[in-house]
Amino acid sequence: QKEVEQNSGPLSVPEGAIASLNCTYSDRVSQSFFWYRQYSGKSPELIMSIYSNGDKEDGRFTAQLNKASQYVSLLIRDSQPSDSATYLCAVNKITGFQKLVFGTGTRLLVSP
Amino acid sequence: GAVVSQHPSWVICKSGTSVKIECRSLDFQATTMFWYRQFPKQSLMLMATSNEGSKATYEQGVEKDKFLINHASLTLSTLTVTSAHPEDSSFYICSAQPGGDQPQHFGDGTRLSIL
Repeated sequence: QKEVEQNSGPLSVPEGAIASLNCTYSDRVSQSFFWYRQYSGKSPELIMSIYSNGDKEDGRFTAQLNKASQYVSLLIRDSQPSDSATYLCAVNKITGFQKLVFGTGTRLLVSP
Repeated sequence: GAVVSQHPSWVICKSGTSVKIECRSLDFQATTMFWYRQFPKQSLMLMATSNEGSKATYEQGVEKDKFLINHASLTLSTLTVTSAHPEDSSFYICSAQPGGDQPQHFGDGTRLSIL
């Protein structure tokens, strides 16, 4: 079992729709969770951080965390073609030093 | 806020050359800095973790004598690819973390091409 799992996609949604990206993780003691967006050929960009169960909203983005189910999701409302990118779920792992464990990413395609 | 600057953004050099990449946190002090490598259409691969004033911790399979990391201050880390060969050609990305469970912030990356 991978430490952080994501569906690789592509997830195709029409412009204006809600895109739902999902992620599961295996380490029950994880406390910090992040979503990064990576455009092709670019470095990752932080979208959201979430630390507590429930929803966290920032503009068009909502992160959802359920520690009991070991599940993190990212909702993108009113999706735009510029949202087309790979979305990386990352979980903070503490093994002496802290480090992020990344999922393989979900490719999102938003069609005009 | 949370800006990480990485230079150079693109390097093309001959085989056998050593290449140094700089990573700076511009508006925060980075307790920990990280170096990643990414091949086309593949996931980020963590190469090493460095804390200011300490030796870097390398991931399994990463040659520490090949990839020299120096974390001289709370705002600067460098990666030197020594005697680079074509197989070292890749996209190298640094990140910096303020500390605790704060997120990592990434630099823009360095595209390294060895001829």
